Amino acid sequence: DAEITQSPRHKITETGRQVTLACHQTWNHNNMFWYRQDLGHGLRLIHYSYGVQDTNKGEVSDGYSVSRSNTEDLPLTLESAASSQTSVYFCASSAGLAGYEQYFGPGTRLTVT
Amino acid sequence: AQTVTQSQPEMSVQEAETVTLSCTYDTSESDYYLFWYKQPPSRQMILVIRQEAYKQQNATENRFSVNFQKAAKSFSLKISDSQLGDAAMYFCAYRRAQKLVFGQGTRLTINP
Repeated sequence: DAEITQSPRHKITETGRQVTLACHQTWNHNNMFWYRQDLGHGLRLIHYSYGVQDTNKGEVSDGYSVSRSNTEDLPLTLESAASSQTSVYFCASSAGLAGYEQYFGPGTRLTVT
Repeated sequence: AQTVTQSQPEMSVQEAETVTLSCTYDTSESDYYLFWYKQPPSRQMILVIRQEAYKQQNATENRFSVNFQKAAKSFSLKISDSQLGDAAMYFCAYRRAQKLVFGQGTRLTINP
């Protein structure tokens, strides 16, 4: 069965370190998304991609970057982790835009100390 | 900018009863989609139901139905015959093109 996976599931890092969260989907979807989930804010869009070599900034992109070198993967990098980036991160993918369902990964809980 | 508001941080219902979760949104667009997602303790985001704004008929999926009031920009979720497995966070979301905007969520507790 097709799926979307994230790794690691839990990560603790120190302030100032570079961190990369992996996202891999086997749906062959062109569209991929990264969200962060914080109490009182629901999920907020960080970055998204419509296909290979395409990346776009979302609502809360400062301090994050993504790259899309193939269809299956969209890694999220925190260049210099900050305590404000402690959150749960979700990756999602969809076959199309608008009404198409977004399929979510299981999430990564990141703690920055 | 589009915003989505869920005014009920927490709700509870007796098992087998009906509960309605509220959602309002703000947009100047006429063509968009609305969703309800369920997030159980496992953290997995699960699509519950979807509504196209151009459709007047309210969407229904088994025990889940919506009351979509386009003019009022309201999109409530009704859960009938509540089951213990319905206990979760519920998020309302608005989508036009690529942007999916979520509300703050409502935590639903089912009392046996």
